[in-house]
Amino acid sequence: EDQVTQSPEALRLQEGESSSLNCSYTVSGLRGLFWYRQDPGKGPEFLFTLYSAGEEKEKERLKATLTKKESFLHITAPKPEDSATYLCAVRGGATNKLIFGTGTLLAVQP
Amino acid sequence: EAGVVQSPRYKIIEKKQPVAFWCNPISGHNTLYWYRQNLGQGPELLIRYENEEAVDDSQLPKDRFSAERLKGVDSTLKIQPAELGDSAVYLCASSLGTGGNQPQHFGDGTRLSIL
Repeated sequence: EDQVTQSPEALRLQEGESSSLNCSYTVSGLRGLFWYRQDPGKGPEFLFTLYSAGEEKEKERLKATLTKKESFLHITAPKPEDSATYLCAVRGGATNKLIFGTGTLLAVQP
Repeated sequence: EAGVVQSPRYKIIEKKQPVAFWCNPISGHNTLYWYRQNLGQGPELLIRYENEEAVDDSQLPKDRFSAERLKGVDSTLKIQPAELGDSAVYLCASSLGTGGNQPQHFGDGTRLSIL
């Protein structure tokens, strides 16, 4: 069964304190791994797509990496405005549906 | 470009009443999705449209849920009758296609509360 597990469930950082979020996945025939950001009361906002192991994508203070079993979202020197829930999703398997994890709630304190 | 537009943003109804949600996708996006997101969970797919055809509705509770996408643009999702367990955020998303390199772009959802 296709599955996505994100950890930690919640993370509190001080401004400037770098860290990483983890997304472990099980899917047959990965067609893409997606990272989204979701602010309270808003829909998920697309950040990155990764396709193959070893691939990396960067955007401002965020960098996403991919291996055959997991993806990491690295946050360098975070600011309070980076506070949000970060969702990981994979597409693949027999149905080609997007399967989401439950997210990591990130709080960055000034 | 304009994003995915959903209305209403909030809806409060009593159980057993009908309710409908509306979605206008990004212009030119032929694929449209309806998701349900419960508190503390990721979105779960209800139905996917390719143009006006529903190509994946395996997760849609067909006894009470229905959807349509006339003319392959706007879409509506209906629940009749609503049950207490239907309280959730209903999200609409669209994409240029279903290939692995096409991200889905989401609207801000309709938050449904059943009394």
